[in-house]
Formats: sequence, C-alpha cells, structure tokens
Amino acid sequence: EIVLTQSPGTLSLSPGERATLSCRASQSVTNNYLAWYQQKPGQAPRVLIYDASSRATGIPDRFSGSGSGTDFTLTISRLEPEDFAVYHCQQYGSSPRTFGQGTKLEIK
Amino acid sequence: EVQLVESGGGLVQSGGSLRLSCAVSGFTLSNYGMAWVRQAPGKGLQWVSGISGSTTRTFYIDSVRGRFTVSRDNSKNTLYLQMDSLTAEDTATYYCARWNGYGDFWGQGTLVIVSS
Repeated sequence: EIVLTQSPGTLSLSPGERATLSCRASQSVTNNYLAWYQQKPGQAPRVLIYDASSRATGIPDRFSGSGSGTDFTLTISRLEPEDFAVYHCQQYGSSPRTFGQGTKLEIK
Repeated sequence: EVQLVESGGGLVQSGGSLRLSCAVSGFTLSNYGMAWVRQAPGKGLQWVSGISGSTTRTFYIDSVRGRFTVSRDNSKNTLYLQMDSLTAEDTATYYCARWNGYGDFWGQGTLVIVSS
C-alpha cells in the first residue's frame, strides 16, 4: 500500500500570502494519479485537483497542483479567508486508494 | 444538480450491525463507480469500499473485508454499505462519494459510533 506523508502538519499564514503544501508518496504514483481535497469543519471533502495538476470544475485558479512520481505540491497563490481549512492528498494509481494525514492551514 | 445523501448511522454495540444508505440524484448511478470513505474523529480520511459502475465489482480494504458489503440498487438510485461485526475501530463519519478513482462529489456523511 502506498503511504502518503503530508507536510507540514500545520501551516500558519496570513490572507494574501502564498501557501505551499507537500505530499510525498512511499513509492511512485502510477500515472501521477493524485488528487487534492479541501475540507472545512463539519463538511465533506471537496476535490480541488485531480491527475496531479488538473483543476476540478469551479475551483479558482489560485489553486494549482504540480509534481510527479513521489513528490507532489498544492500551491495556493494568494490566500483568501475562505481557504483556511484542512487539505488532504489522495492517490488512485494503486489499490487500495490511500490518503495523506492532512495539512491544517490556519490563520496566523 | 448532483446530490448524495447518507443515512443509517447511529450508536451500535460492538459486534452489532448497521446498514448505511446513500441516496443519489442528478446523475445515473449505474454509470458511475461509487465509494465509501470514513473519517474517525479528529483523524484523516480512509477509503473503505468501492463498487464499479458497469460491472459492479466490489473492493474493500483488508480491515473490513468479510465484515462489510457494498451494494447498489440502481432502480432506487441508492448505494448501500452493510456493516457487520462492528468494532470500536469502525467508529467514524462515513461518506459516500461518486468515484472516478477520486471523489468528485460527496455526501455530507453519517456518523457511526460503536460502543464497547
């Protein structure tokens, strides 16, 4: 099973700043089949990025995904107040599908 | 508009059973793979089970295989998860999701608490 490790565990930034979140896989993710989700308290996850770098429908272009193989990054170019949440990565190149443990993005 | 609505969660004793339901609308259930993903309190997400769209093949993580059964009733536009022999480790919010390898639409979740 592929283990995904997200870093940092918590990221403290201010609105307007740039956020860089990391997701590292224990082995190469086939076809870079990696997704990123945003989850706010009491809500279901919402997909932001799939196939490592494709934005899901309706996702603002300040969100971008990059990376390949074992190292992937979610970048939020300029933080808005509504972006403070927990972010999860998930691989779907191998079975079972696995998630990272999450990165909490909090207001500094 | 795509919607998924879970139900059936609740408090159950260890060793007991529950059946979760996920009623979908806004798309044809038989055309899509579906999944159940759970989240223990304060923890991360864990894919639990899936069912393919066209062939209805089923998939499970090792820890639930033999205890959980995923199924679908296309005529009712409903996905199910039968959970037997529940343990405290199964305590979580259970989400159903439309699944393309990843979840593009999710329900709001239903909470399952297993008391020991």
